Amino acid sequence: EAGVTQFPSHSVIEKGQTVTLRCDPISGHDNLYWYRRVMGKEIKFLLHFVKESKQDESGMPNNRFLAERTGGTYSTLKVQPAELEDSGVYFCASSQQARDGYTFGSGTRLTVV
Amino acid sequence: RKEVEQDPGPFNVPEGATVAFNCTYSNSASQSFFWYRQDCRKEPKLLMSVYSSGNEDGRFTAQLNRASQYISLLIRDSKLSDSATYLCVVNRGNAGKSTFGDGTTLTVKP
Repeated sequence: EAGVTQFPSHSVIEKGQTVTLRCDPISGHDNLYWYRRVMGKEIKFLLHFVKESKQDESGMPNNRFLAERTGGTYSTLKVQPAELEDSGVYFCASSQQARDGYTFGSGTRLTVV
Repeated sequence: RKEVEQDPGPFNVPEGATVAFNCTYSNSASQSFFWYRQDCRKEPKLLMSVYSSGNEDGRFTAQLNRASQYISLLIRDSKLSDSATYLCVVNRGNAGKSTFGDGTTLTVKP
């Protein structure tokens, strides 16, 4: 079974630019999550999709972040325009049931300079 | 106060030692509990779910005390390969969203 795949693995962009992160969950997993770890802090929730619907986006920092999951398969997370404080590791995870433990992707390390 | 609090660590133990990690959570509505393991610069990986009755997987034993809102992980006969950061994670069940602790770092030395 293929795991959760994230692309790119690393991204270095300048402040003010746009970056789009992609996540392909495990096939058949309706639940898809985005989390973020900024340096020195714990992993924090950004949002949760059930199929193509946003179940909970309470963790999204501000309106510079836009997540989509068209068709209920892969998801994208766009940051526009990027700020220095957006630097960190963005993890995507998926699960069959919302109450299950997650399978994480390997993450995208975003550096905004 | 953080919603999930873990022993700050780090824990440095010799091979073969038994080590225990503690975690407390503040939201009594929490329904699902997990321990994840995270190696340096890698993604977290699910180690085990934690049930009220306690559960064991080989050298690893997890316990949950709902009354005290306390979770523990016991590792027996530590191996060098157990060196990692252990994350306590609490989920409100059907809400999906999980809250992570800061993690406790374990180093097992020869």
